[in-house]
Amino acid sequence: SQTIHQWPATLVQPVGSPLSLECTVEGTSNPNLYWYRQAAGRGLQLLFYSVGIGQISSEVPQNLSASRPQDRQFILSSKKLLLSDSGFYLCACTPGRYGYTFGSGTRLTVV
Amino acid sequence: AQKITQTQPGMFVQEKEAVTLDCTYDTSDQSYGLFWYKQPSSGEMIFLIYQGSYDEQNATEGRYSLNFQKARKSANLVISASQLGDSAMYFCAMREGLNTGGFKTIFGAGTRLFVKA
Repeated sequence: SQTIHQWPATLVQPVGSPLSLECTVEGTSNPNLYWYRQAAGRGLQLLFYSVGIGQISSEVPQNLSASRPQDRQFILSSKKLLLSDSGFYLCACTPGRYGYTFGSGTRLTVV
Repeated sequence: AQKITQTQPGMFVQEKEAVTLDCTYDTSDQSYGLFWYKQPSSGEMIFLIYQGSYDEQNATEGRYSLNFQKARKSANLVISASQLGDSAMYFCAMREGLNTGGFKTIFGAGTRLFVKA
């Protein structure tokens, strides 16, 4: 079965600083990859998804970008963080028919 | 546009009793999938159960069952014999296909379940 490695687990960054969150997948090839953000006590908002290397689709215009340099690597980035970027970021993949496999998440606090 | 609605922000249930978490959805697609996920306080997302739009029988996975009423566009989660470890946030979700291949999933706002001893 597939496993998602996501790091770091927690991150505190000042406003205006850059961001790079990485997600790697094991146990499958050519997965669909997703970045979600969860505000405190809220549901998950889809930020980006990718169906292949170099293919990125954005769901919500914002201060973030995503890249997929390798088949099983998905990166979420920002050049300058905003306070509103705080939240819980989850990477997910779907190699199969049913539900996502999620990473363990990164809790980002922008101060 | 596709939408998932969970109208119960919080629910309480007595240990060993059954509980139903509500979910309604809106879609114009004929083919879709419905999911329930559990999120404990640790933050991880745990897949619980899946129902395809063409599945004639309600999905069951152990103590979890999905009460699928297609005409009413509802997909309620039933947890039987609640346990203290069931206390968590529960999300209903719906999958839609992508023109680029694969699919994406949208989530409801969630229901926080509290199981009382």
